[in-house]
Amino acid sequence: EAGVVQSPRYKIIEKKQPVAFWCNPISGHNTLYWYLQNLGQGPELLIRYENEEAVDDSQLPKDRFSAERLKGVDSTLKIQPAELGDSAVYLCASLWTGRAGELFFGEGSRLTVL
Amino acid sequence: DAKTTQPNSMESNEEEPVHLPCNHSTISGTDYIHWYRQLPSQGPEYVIHGLTSNVNNRMASLAIAEDRKSSTLILHRATLRDAAVYYCILRDAGNAGNMLTFGGGTRLMVKP
Repeated sequence: EAGVVQSPRYKIIEKKQPVAFWCNPISGHNTLYWYLQNLGQGPELLIRYENEEAVDDSQLPKDRFSAERLKGVDSTLKIQPAELGDSAVYLCASLWTGRAGELFFGEGSRLTVL
Repeated sequence: DAKTTQPNSMESNEEEPVHLPCNHSTISGTDYIHWYRQLPSQGPEYVIHGLTSNVNNRMASLAIAEDRKSSTLILHRATLRDAAVYYCILRDAGNAGNMLTFGGGTRLMVKP
């Protein structure tokens, strides 16, 4: 079974440029997460989807970040315009909603903003 | 959210057991205790979870205190591949069960 797939793995951009990250969750997983991870810190939740509905986006900086999950499957996270402080790893995870199911993470997309 | 407290780092020798502690004094009755680990340059991966009883799987064992205010992840024989950051997380089994909040975790270093 394929795991959570993220692309690109690495992205280097100039500040003020836009960037987008894509995530393909495990088939059948209805819950999808985007986390941000700064160096040496634990992942921080940006947004959580239940199917196509964003149910928790309180930590998403909405002035520059946006996300969508069309048809409740793939998801895209966009930053426009990127700032230096956005340099981090962006992790996608998915879950089959159940009483004690485990999260499956992708390998992450490492963003460097110059 | 109920929070967890873990040491920032621990060291172990290869092939020796490792006990990684986690305090969660504000745990509620419906919170499961989950452990994840993150190897370098990878996303976190699930290790084990439990509610009240001790649990064993092929990766590790989880010992849960009787009052559930603390737990210990046990790696029976540490290998160099176990060097990672280990996260202890509480997960509500109720309506908020899909909320998982990560702390800073414990960085485990394994010496040959």
